[in-house]
Amino acid sequence: QVQLQESGPGLVKPSETLSLTCTVSGGSISTYYWNWLRQPPGKGLEWIGYIYYTGTTNYSPSLKSRVTMSVDTSKNQFSLKLSSVAAADGAIYYCARSRPQLDFDLWGRGTLVTVSS
Amino acid sequence: SYELTQPPSVTVSPGQTASITCSGDQLGHKYASWYQQKSGQSPVLLIYQDSQRPSGIPERFSGSNSGNTATLTVSGTQAMDEADYYCQAWDSSTVVFGGGTKLTVL
Repeated sequence: QVQLQESGPGLVKPSETLSLTCTVSGGSISTYYWNWLRQPPGKGLEWIGYIYYTGTTNYSPSLKSRVTMSVDTSKNQFSLKLSSVAAADGAIYYCARSRPQLDFDLWGRGTLVTVSS
Repeated sequence: SYELTQPPSVTVSPGQTASITCSGDQLGHKYASWYQQKSGQSPVLLIYQDSQRPSGIPERFSGSNSGNTATLTVSGTQAMDEADYYCQAWDSSTVVFGGGTKLTVL
């Protein structure tokens, strides 16, 4: 079955750029919408944005100025870059699959990113 | 910006019915989804399109959505249902989550 796996550095310095990749296995990335979400320890879920396999993106208004998403269909991967990070950006970052304007039906296991010098 | 409001906590006795609400302006005009997140795990989709259950989700989980409130109902609650529950909807091409409700089975 389709699985998602996040990867990337677990520690990022303040003011630097957080970079994560999500690998889609067991299915094609050329359908559905592919999302990034995050959850600060002990807090709720926050949607960061999505990318479609065509490269179309939609970002959360609160993070839009710092977020860039990209997709590599040849590798079945999509990626997140979040610039100028601060301590408040420390969280578990999840990639997830969604249908347009609907639900998130498949999630990765999440990866913890800490922002610290 | 659009907001979804959930009670921070709900407590239920084993075997009883728990109801978790999610309130938002005219939420009934949007599709609501519900997620269960157990400690240390990723969220799992419980209910989509207000009341639909994905395959593999027990029948004791049900959902409704009308007016300004979506409700997740857990019938015959079991100890394994103790978790955080989140509602979610789309508003103007943006995803909104409720703050989450901790369900305690005591």
